[in-house]
Amino acid sequence: DVKVTQSSRYLVKRTGEKVFLECVQDMDHENMFWYRQDPGLGLRLIYFSYDVKMKEKGDIPEGYSVSREKKERFSLILESASTNQTSMYLCASSPGQGGMNTEAFFGQGTRLTVV
Amino acid sequence: RKEVEQDPGPFNVPEGATVAFNCTYSNSASQSFFWYRQDCRKEPKLLMSVYSSGNEDGRFTAQLNRASQYISLLIRDSKLSDSATYLCVVNIWYGQNFVFGPGTRLSVLP
Repeated sequence: DVKVTQSSRYLVKRTGEKVFLECVQDMDHENMFWYRQDPGLGLRLIYFSYDVKMKEKGDIPEGYSVSREKKERFSLILESASTNQTSMYLCASSPGQGGMNTEAFFGQGTRLTVV
Repeated sequence: RKEVEQDPGPFNVPEGATVAFNCTYSNSASQSFFWYRQDCRKEPKLLMSVYSSGNEDGRFTAQLNRASQYISLLIRDSKLSDSATYLCVVNIWYGQNFVFGPGTRLSVLP
């Protein structure tokens, strides 16, 4: 079974803190994604990466950065946390150009609260 | 216009009912299509892929109409355990760039 693991289920951070969300997948997938999910807004793509050290901005990259130093690990960084970044963060991975019906596999999510 | 739109819901149906969800997408270059299920406070999980010819998995039937850019999910004989949010997902490039609809919440009532 594909496993995507996020380092924390729940986090509480203070405004202005630097926050690291870690994600690890064990299926040698090329593609990794970070989404945030908010009520009424659905899942929105923050960043994705299709290879080590490669990254692409998604729909809402402002206030975030990412790091992919190893294929299995994709980190999301909140440079200076703000209250409007309180959300559920979901990491996902998928095989690289795996053909039709290549699905995305999700981690269990990190519920971040910024106070 | 949003890239992927779904019935706003929520849908409240009795056990045993048949319920249909609709989804439209705006990018005609979309390659792959999926229905995901998300339980409350959990991550989304793949329910089924949607094939051009339509496909069925037990009580679930998915249909795709590329010309109309429309996807549907039919659930027959609803169970209490079907209560969840159903997400329509479109993949613009194989394995990359998944675009999610806002989801439709289903509550199956005893």
